[in-house]
Parts: sequence; structure tokens; C-alpha cells
Amino acid sequence: KQEVTQIPAALSVPEGENLVLNCSFTDSAIYNLQWFRQDPGKGLTSLLLIQSSQREQTSGRLNASLDKSSGRSTLYIAASQPGDSATYLCAVIGEGGSEKLVFGKGTKLTVNP
Amino acid sequence: DAGITQSPRYKITETGRQVTLMCHQTWSHSYMFWYRQDLGHGLRLIYYSAAADITDKGEVPDGYVVSRSKTENFPLTLESATRSQTSVYFCASSELGTGGAWGYTFGSGTRLTVV
Repeated sequence: KQEVTQIPAALSVPEGENLVLNCSFTDSAIYNLQWFRQDPGKGLTSLLLIQSSQREQTSGRLNASLDKSSGRSTLYIAASQPGDSATYLCAVIGEGGSEKLVFGKGTKLTVNP
Repeated sequence: DAGITQSPRYKITETGRQVTLMCHQTWSHSYMFWYRQDLGHGLRLIYYSAAADITDKGEVPDGYVVSRSKTENFPLTLESATRSQTSVYFCASSELGTGGAWGYTFGSGTRLTVV
């Protein structure tokens, strides 16, 4: 059974800092990995999708990398801003054709002005 | 409006009542999913559907019923609500079950309270 772990569970940083959020998964046979952002009381907003053949994806100040063999992904946020404060969720889909998107429990990020 | 919409946004119901949560998507995505989100458990899959009239159980299906007579709609019914079903429910859709080129897209959620 696929298990997804996100470390740390919570992170508080001053504005302007570069930071890395970590995601690990137990079964490396994944089809793709998706990072989401969730603001309090809101739905999930897709940030980046990395397919298994890709190593990384970039969108603005966000960069996500994927190392399937080691079962790891990182989300790098450059020059953090207070508006980046949210919970960041990592989710994977198995290569075996499973239609299930398995989530980690998230990292709650607070960026202080 | 294009996208995926859930209704109602908030619902309070009594134990034992039947309640239906609605989900509608405008992309004609084949796959649709229902998740629940709870503190300490994160997001867990309840049911999913690969196409109209095709549904399958996820991780936590007990106490829930789904149907999908039209591609764009995927209602979730709690046949006899229990307090343990108090949660935030999210609907999602995807072009492909494995995410396709765009991954999964989620609705804004329904916050359900069973009293």
C-alpha cells in the first residue's frame, strides 16, 4: 500500500527566505506526482504536476523535483512571501493504473512579514 | 462557468437522515472522485468513477452511495448519516485515471456536520 509522508508538518519562516518542502513515498512505481496548495477553509489548488518521465517542473517561484528511484519529491519556494502561507499537499498516483491519488498529510507553511 | 462545482458549501443534518452532496464538472472529464478530509487522517478516497455508469470503491466507502448517470455529475449520498461522517468532502475530476496531462482538479468542498 502506497504511503506518502511530508516533512516537516509545519514550518514558519521570515519573508524572503528560500525554502524546501519534502515529500517521500514508499512505492516508487508511480505514474505522476502532483503538488497542491490549500488555504484555510478552501479547496485544493494544483501547483505543479510531474509525470514519471520528468525530473522537475517549474512555475514562477516554485520548482518541484522528482526522484522516483529514491521515492522523493521536493517543492522549492524561492523568495517566500506572506501570501505563500498555506498548507502544501503532495499526492502520488501508482504506475499500476490505480485511479487513486494518495495524499500526504501536508506541510503547513507560515511566512512572517 | 467552466470548472468543477460542489453544492451545498455547508450542510448541517441530523443523525439518521439521508443527505446528498452534488458535484458537477464542465470539462467532460471521464474520471470523477470523492474524497473526505479529516484532521489527523488527511484526504481519503471514498469512491471514484471511470465513466458514466462505472463506479468503484476507494479506501473508506462504508455508509456512502454514488451514482453517475451523466458524465458531468457525480452525486454522493449518505444513506443514514452518522456523526463520524462529519467532515469536509471534496469532489475531483481528471481526464484520465492516472492524471493525464493536467492532473486532478478539485472542487471547493462541502463542509458537512452531522448532529
